Formats: sequence, structure tokens, C-alpha cells
Amino acid sequence: DADVTQTPRNRITKTGKRIMLECSQTKGHDRMYWYRQDPGLGLQLIYYSFDVKDINKGEISDGYSVSRQAQAKFSLSLESAIPNQTALYFCATSDSRLGITYNEQFFGPGTRLTVL
Amino acid sequence: AQTVTQSQPEMSVQEAETVTLSCTYDTSESDYYLFWYKQPPSRQMILVIRQEAYKQQNATENRFSVNFQKAAKSFSLKISDSQLGDAAMYFCAYRSAEGYDKIIFGKGTRLHILP
Repeated sequence: DADVTQTPRNRITKTGKRIMLECSQTKGHDRMYWYRQDPGLGLQLIYYSFDVKDINKGEISDGYSVSRQAQAKFSLSLESAIPNQTALYFCATSDSRLGITYNEQFFGPGTRLTVL
Repeated sequence: AQTVTQSQPEMSVQEAETVTLSCTYDTSESDYYLFWYKQPPSRQMILVIRQEAYKQQNATENRFSVNFQKAAKSFSLKISDSQLGDAAMYFCAYRSAEGYDKIIFGKGTRLHILP
């Protein structure tokens, strides 16, 4: 089944460590996104990518960086993790070829990151 | 900037009853899309229903329907015949019809189903 996968599903790390969260998709979609979910705050957009060479900052990009290694892979890095980056992180994809009307986003299962 | 507000942090409903979750939004745009997403304990974000702002007819998906009031900027979700599997966090979301497809989410409503 075509899907969006995220690794790891859960991660505990220490302040100052470098962390990479990975997202892979088999949907053939061109657009990929990284969101952060904090309790009581909904989802906030960190970075988005329309194709391998097109990467853009979202609402809360400070402290994060991304890499689009291929159309199917989009990684999120925390160069030096801090406790307030403890959150649930979601990757999402969408297909621009479907046009704006049907261009819904499909979410991965999320990565729960805890920074001690 | 667009905003999405869900004023009910938590709600409860008896199994088999009907419940309505509220959502209001603010935008100066005339064309946009509204969504309800469900997030069960598995954490997966699942699209429940979608409404195009240019359509007057309210969207319906099986037991889920919306009441879209464009002038009032209101977009409520009605769940009929509530089932235990409906227990989840529900997020209302907005997406512009122009530019890139950024989604703006509300803070969510946690729905409890009482057996």
C-alpha cells in the first residue's frame, strides 16, 4: 500500500544532541511537509518542499533544518536539540498534479521526540 | 493572516447519539478549503471531510457532515450515531486556494464517547 512512513516512531535524546527524523513516501507525491504538534496548539508548519530543489521555511523553522534527498525522502534535523523541541513531529505529502481542489495532505504516523 | 478557532477543548457524547464540534475561522480570502481531521490514540492524522468554500452544499461523508456558514465563517462537524471508534482529537483546518497549500490548524477538540 502506498504510504508515508516516519522513523523513528519514538526518540528520547539529551540537550545539545543532533537528531535527524526521516520521512519516506511511496505515494509518488512531489510535495512534502514537516509539522510540529504541541499539546493544545494544533499543528504548526516547520518546513515544506515542493520538489527536490525547492525548500521553504514555514512558521517555526528556527532551530531546524531539512534535506530533500530525493522526491520520496524528506529529513528534518535538529542541530542541537533543546527541551522545548519536545513534541510530536509529522511528515505529510501532497500531489500538486491533482490540482488545488484535490491536493489534500496525507500524514505519516508521527515521531514523538523527547529532549531531556 | 488566517486563523482557526476551536472553542471546545473537550466534549463527551453517549454512544449512538449525535454530537457537533464547533469551528470558526478568520480570513479575507473568498476562495479556500476547510477540513476536519481526526487524530485517534494511534496519532495518525486522518482526513474526515472536506468543504470547498465556493460550494454552498454542505459536505457529507457517511455519519459525518458539516454545517458550513460562509458569511459567519463557521464550519461545524456533526457526527451522527457516535461510535466508540470515533473517540479522538478532532482538528479543524483551513487552506487557501491560492499560493502554496499550507494548512492552518485549530487547537483541536478531544471527543470522548461514553458507552
